[in-house]
Amino acid sequence: DADVTQTPRNRITKTGKRIMLECSQTKGHDRMYWYRQDPGLGLQLIYYSFDVKDINKGEISDGYSVSRQAQAKFSLSLESAIPNQTALYFCATSDPPAGELFFGEGSRLTVL
Amino acid sequence: AQSVTQPDIHITVSEGASLELRCNYSYGATPYLFWYVQSPGQGLQLLLKYFSGDTLVQGIKGFEAEFKRSQSSFNLRKPSVHWSDAAEYFCAVGAPNAGKSTFGDGTTLTVKP
Repeated sequence: DADVTQTPRNRITKTGKRIMLECSQTKGHDRMYWYRQDPGLGLQLIYYSFDVKDINKGEISDGYSVSRQAQAKFSLSLESAIPNQTALYFCATSDPPAGELFFGEGSRLTVL
Repeated sequence: AQSVTQPDIHITVSEGASLELRCNYSYGATPYLFWYVQSPGQGLQLLLKYFSGDTLVQGIKGFEAEFKRSQSSFNLRKPSVHWSDAAEYFCAVGAPNAGKSTFGDGTTLTVKP
């Protein structure tokens, strides 16, 4: 089983719909992240959390929200999806101090 | 603010040839540096990392990278490329204790038979 699991892996939705992407991890790490990947743009940080009570905005948080339900669970929500949120979304964890990231396999979201 | 530049968007090499992928970073102090690989349809996997000490670091799958402070570079190398190395490669820089990394835009590697 994967250490970092994302659901759903693929989702097609319509403009204006609310979408939730879920992430769970078995690595026991406190730090969790949501990144967005667009072709040719690398990965951009949406939100990150250092523990259950600590949530921080990343570079591109507008239009997104997150919830850290437990140490092992970190979900990303799009309250009202729009087409330019079509992208590949990655959840990741890390263990300080090094900060190397452990990624899930990604959730591909298409907004029509 | 930290930033990463990967000058080469796409590189093609023949199987068995050597490989060097370039990475330049901007950061005010000694950063944490990483190379990740993304195979098609997969998440990113760490190839190697530099924190301190020996500036030549070894990673998985026969990759190595050299940290050059004077050039603000952290180039990835492999002496002999295999067809299975075809993937997208990302360089990332992290600030110590900041807990987050900044990624370059990636370099796509194609391997010719």
